[in-house]
Amino acid sequence: DTAVSQTPKYLVTQMGNDKSIKCEQNLGHDTMYWYKQDSKKFLKIMFSYNNKELIINETVPNRFSPKSPDKAHLNLHINSLELGDSAVYFCASSHGWTELKYGYTFGSGTRLTVV
Amino acid sequence: AQSVAQPEDQVNVAEGNPLTVKCTYSVSGNPYLFWYVQYPNRGLQFLLKYITGDNLVKGSYGFEAEFNKSQTSFHLKKPSALVSDSALYFCAVRDGSTSGTYKYIFGTGTRLKVLA
Repeated sequence: DTAVSQTPKYLVTQMGNDKSIKCEQNLGHDTMYWYKQDSKKFLKIMFSYNNKELIINETVPNRFSPKSPDKAHLNLHINSLELGDSAVYFCASSHGWTELKYGYTFGSGTRLTVV
Repeated sequence: AQSVAQPEDQVNVAEGNPLTVKCTYSVSGNPYLFWYVQYPNRGLQFLLKYITGDNLVKGSYGFEAEFNKSQTSFHLKKPSALVSDSALYFCAVRDGSTSGTYKYIFGTGTRLKVLA
């Protein structure tokens, strides 16, 4: 069973479009994250939700809006896509203090290409 | 502000030889340090962590890391490299705050290439 699953795996879209990436975890974790990995493999946190509450909101264009309908899901909606949004987006999850023991669990990523 | 540096973009090592992937950090307070590995087209996988205690920590797949407070380093090591260890390795630091609004800062990654 996939612990953290993201859909779609690949997404190719034109500039100006609006798209969503979905993430689901079946680990019972209470915190979920979105990270962006650019073409140089640099990983940067974007958002974090704990029990459906936004707790980390990095300096990200407001075209990016996360939504957490429940603890097991964290979706990322992107409006008016730009070329610079092309990257791999990773969802991750963790649970309370066990995060210090087991770290984060990452999804396999969504490769977004804006043309 | 906390930060992590991985000075080498790529490390090449022959199979069977020992490997080291370097990481230095800068944090306020106690450092919580992690290593993750990323295989092609996959998400990151947790390898090991240092929270407190012994400076040498052991993790998955035979990897270990040495915490050195005076040098603010947390280098990843393995006594004998395998071709299958070839991947991208990330060092990360977590703020030791207990406020709950913590985050991981990842290094820029080091590509390890093990040559047969």
